[in-house]
Amino acid sequence: GESVGLHLPTLSVQEGDNSIINCAYSNSASDYFIWYKQESGKGPQFIIDIRSNMDKRQGQRVTVLLNKTVKHLSLQIAATQPGDSAVYFCAENMGDMRFGAGTRLTVKP
Amino acid sequence: DVKVTQSSRYLVKRTGEKVFLECVQDMDHENMFWYRQDPGLGLRLIYFSYDVKMKEKGDIPEGYSVSREKKERFSLILESASTNQTSMYLCASLRETQYFGPGTRLLVL
Repeated sequence: GESVGLHLPTLSVQEGDNSIINCAYSNSASDYFIWYKQESGKGPQFIIDIRSNMDKRQGQRVTVLLNKTVKHLSLQIAATQPGDSAVYFCAENMGDMRFGAGTRLTVKP
Repeated sequence: DVKVTQSSRYLVKRTGEKVFLECVQDMDHENMFWYRQDPGLGLRLIYFSYDVKMKEKGDIPEGYSVSREKKERFSLILESASTNQTSMYLCASLRETQYFGPGTRLLVL
């Protein structure tokens, strides 16, 4: 079956460094993707989204890149801060929302 | 701001009990979702609804049912709770972007 997945389950970065979290998807018909951040004890929080007619979208300190050729999505966080520590999920919208397992980002001071 | 609220943050029930989890959104969204989240498995879709009185099965509907009598309210029902339904339950609503509630942590003894 088709699925959304993440390459790495954990990522540890130094405070101030840039973080890159990756996601692979296998449904070429997906036309909308979302990145979520989930802190301990809370529901997922929308970070940024991108449609399939775009390659890149930037927000505040975050950038999402979409490579449709290899069905790959990434989230870049600039100048990572301790408050960025959380689990990050990518999701694809195919009418319903399908999620990867998540990547835990840990920021070291 | 979109608000998605869930009736309980924590719930303890006994095996065999009937359990109702309520979700309310205040943004007139047509689409609503119920997920469960378990360590290492990410978010798995239980049921979703496109409109009042409409429901669609997700990936793991067994042991659950849903009710959508009003647009703003989507209820998840565990007809006879079992210990393997101990989990974090997340409700979400969607128009262009999906918004999550804070989650209900259910423990079935």
